[in-house]
Amino acid sequence: EVQLVESGGGLVQPGRSLRLSCAASGFTFDDYAMHWVRQAPGKGLEWVSGISWNSGSIGYADSVKGRFTISRDNAKNSLYLQMNSLRAEDTALYYCAKVRSLYYYAAPFDYWGQGTLVTVSS
Amino acid sequence: DIQMTQSPSSLSASVGDRVTITCQASQDISNYLNWYQQKPGKAPKLLIYDASNLETGVPSRFSGSGSGTDFTFTISSLQPEDIATYYCQQYDNLLPWTFGQGTKVEIK
Repeated sequence: EVQLVESGGGLVQPGRSLRLSCAASGFTFDDYAMHWVRQAPGKGLEWVSGISWNSGSIGYADSVKGRFTISRDNAKNSLYLQMNSLRAEDTALYYCAKVRSLYYYAAPFDYWGQGTLVTVSS
Repeated sequence: DIQMTQSPSSLSASVGDRVTITCQASQDISNYLNWYQQKPGKAPKLLIYDASNLETGVPSRFSGSGSGTDFTFTISSLQPEDIATYYCQQYDNLLPWTFGQGTKVEIK
């Protein structure tokens, strides 16, 4: 059974940093691209960042480019999102998501974690 | 950025009704269009991928169609368990991948 479990969220002051993690199990992690998607309270979904199976392709939304860094450790079956210079508008539930297709970077998201909440406030 | 215009933003229908949601892309995205269902307090769930393909395990009352810029998502016979917000998402090669604003479906 595919499982994605996010952690690392919490309350943080504006300008500070936070590192999110996503622990994956139930599939061959290093065969699939992974992505982060966020959802502000009461709002819609926003794609944040994605990374290919071998970290060769990485992308970011304009809203986080230069502040967030996505990475993965295939030996640990883990995905990460380093978030620096956090802003109030980064407050959201952050989901990690697995793509549906083997080795494809751009593909539908077939499994999602339950999310970890990041609140940026003084 | 490719903008996705989804409509309506909400709808109310009776059990057994046919429900249709549309999504329009600001430029041609071929068939790189997915539909997700999100129930309150839950993570999104993939229902339709590549515009018209039903994800494994998803009931056949859900369907999708379209290509290029205009796409349609249909629930052929609305069931009480279909109460949720539905999102379209494009994943054309051009970043960023964007979602529609969502359609909240309620029972009348």
